[in-house]
Amino acid sequence: EIVLTQSPGTLSLSPGERATLSCRASQSVSSSYLAWYQHKPGQAPRLLIYGASSRASGIPDRFSGSGSGTDFTLTISRLEPEDFAVYFCQQYGSLPWTFGQGTKVEIK
Amino acid sequence: QVQVVQSGAEVKKPGASVKVSCKASGYTFTRNNMHWVRQAPGQGLEWMGIINPSGGSTSYAQKFQGRVTMTRDTSTSTVYMELSSLRSEDTAVYYCAREDGSGSYAYWGQGTLVTVSS
Repeated sequence: EIVLTQSPGTLSLSPGERATLSCRASQSVSSSYLAWYQHKPGQAPRLLIYGASSRASGIPDRFSGSGSGTDFTLTISRLEPEDFAVYFCQQYGSLPWTFGQGTKVEIK
Repeated sequence: QVQVVQSGAEVKKPGASVKVSCKASGYTFTRNNMHWVRQAPGQGLEWMGIINPSGGSTSYAQKFQGRVTMTRDTSTSTVYMELSSLRSEDTAVYYCAREDGSGSYAYWGQGTLVTVSS
């Protein structure tokens, strides 16, 4: 199975700052079938990015995704107060679909 | 609008089984695969398996093979996930999530907390 490793584990930033989250796969993710989700306590995860770089419906343009093969990045250009949460990457190119362990973006 | 609504919280004893339901509405039920994902306390998301509501075919993560069964009822647009031989490590929030054309999950159930405790 494809193992996804996210870094850093925790990112401490202030509102207005830029956040850069990394997701590295143990083998190439086919057709860039890589998604990013935002997850807040007590809520279902929210799809942000699919296909490595396509924003899901209703997602602000401060969220962007990039990468291919084994290295992927989620960038939040200017953090808003509501963006402090845990972010997961997921590959859905080959079974079993797998998730990274998450990056927590916390208020500094 | 698309909605995915799960059944309520469960408390089970070790060795028992639990069956969680996931009722879909607002779209043609048989057109989208449904997945089950869980999150144990303090842990990340873990993919459990997938069911095709049209034909009922399934594929399970190897970790759960032999313990998990996913079924569907097309008359009520509901999918079910049954996990047997429960142990404390199965305490988690269980989610169903609809697979979209892109392959990712834009629609999730609200989550069902399953607590396994003697």
